[in-house]
Amino acid sequence: AQSVTQLGSHVSVSEGALVLLRCNYSSSVPPYLFWYVQYPNQGLQLLLKYTSAATLVKGINGFEAEFKKSETSFHLTKPSAHMSDAAEYFCAVTASNTGFQKLVFGTGTRLLVSP
Amino acid sequence: EAQVTQNPRYLITVTGKKLTVTCSQNMNHEYMSWYRQDPGLGLRQIYYSMNVEVTDKGDVPEGYKVSRKEKRNFPLILESPSPNQTSLYFCASSLSLAGAEKLFFGSGTQLSVL
Repeated sequence: AQSVTQLGSHVSVSEGALVLLRCNYSSSVPPYLFWYVQYPNQGLQLLLKYTSAATLVKGINGFEAEFKKSETSFHLTKPSAHMSDAAEYFCAVTASNTGFQKLVFGTGTRLLVSP
Repeated sequence: EAQVTQNPRYLITVTGKKLTVTCSQNMNHEYMSWYRQDPGLGLRQIYYSMNVEVTDKGDVPEGYKVSRKEKRNFPLILESPSPNQTSLYFCASSLSLAGAEKLFFGSGTQLSVL
């Protein structure tokens, strides 16, 4: 079975600072990994995904994540935070052989950006 | 515009009063699913459907029903709602079950059961 752990329910950064949101996964088979963002009163939007191609994945809005098999991690980063990045972020995992029927979400990390 | 539409956006009801939350997608997607979101628990899958007339339980199916009579619609039915079903619900769809596809989410339905 797959699982993800997101470290930190809240992360606070200043505008212009580095954003680092942590996600560690567990999977007995090659995983597919995702980062989703949820803005207030909206559904989830896909930021980026890893599906066994390049280990460094670039997404929308300047975010990127690196798949590190040895560390079972898929941390989300952005070099310079913007006020509009304030939202809740979810890491998710599924197995490459089960697809969305076994998609498991983390508990979420709320990113707070101060001026 | 490609989208997943849920209705209603907000719903307040009382224990035991049957309700239906509708979900419709206009992208001819085969895969559809329902999630509930609770603070500190993230999103948990309730039911999913791989195609018309093909549905299966997710991780938290108790107290819910679904149907998939048409490809575009996937309603969530609570036959006898209880307060522990107070939650934020999301419908999602994708071209296929394969995890490499993009999963589209609706805007959510905030349900309160009194």
